[in-house]
Amino acid sequence: EAGVAQSPRYKIIEKRQSVAFWCNPISGHATLYWYQQILGQGPKLLIQFQNNGVVDDSQLPKDRFSAERLKGVDSTLKIQPAKLEDSAVYLCASSLQGWYEQYFGPGTRLTVT
Amino acid sequence: AQSVTQPDIHITVSEGASLELRCNYSYGATPYLFWYVQSPGQGLQLLLKYFSGDTLVQGIKGFEAEFKRSQSSFNLRKPSVHWSDAAEYFCAGTEYGNKLVFGAGTILRVKS
Repeated sequence: EAGVAQSPRYKIIEKRQSVAFWCNPISGHATLYWYQQILGQGPKLLIQFQNNGVVDDSQLPKDRFSAERLKGVDSTLKIQPAKLEDSAVYLCASSLQGWYEQYFGPGTRLTVT
Repeated sequence: AQSVTQPDIHITVSEGASLELRCNYSYGATPYLFWYVQSPGQGLQLLLKYFSGDTLVQGIKGFEAEFKRSQSSFNLRKPSVHWSDAAEYFCAGTEYGNKLVFGAGTILRVKS
């Protein structure tokens, strides 16, 4: 069974530029999550999708972050414009249902200079 | 507010020695608790989970964890650590209907 795929693995941009991350969940997983993991901290949920609907985006900085999950499969997370404090690893995870047994992708390490 | 606390930022153990990583949670009656491991440059891998039932849960790679409601703890243990266990370990928790909350992580170093 293929795992959660993410791309790119690494990205370096300058502040005020835009960036997008892509995630392909495990086949058949209805729930998809995007997390932000700042160095030295645990992952923090940014947004959760159930199929192509948003379940929780309470911690997503909506003035600069956006996410979509078209057709309930792949998802993209965008930052525009980026700030220095957005430097982090962005993790995508998926689960068959609800909050249980989330499977994580390898993450995208973003550096904003 | 619901929270998960990992009191130890770093732990160093000798190869072959036993390991215990601490995790304390602040939840209501029925928390769902997890331990994940993250190797450098990798995503998180689920080691084990507790939903209900037996308070001692077995996971992959020889890990186990014990849920102690009286102490609000869910400590991770391994009887004999291998050098390949060096990684960062995260405890996480949720209650049904709420998002998963992670602790800050414990970095495990294994010395030979």
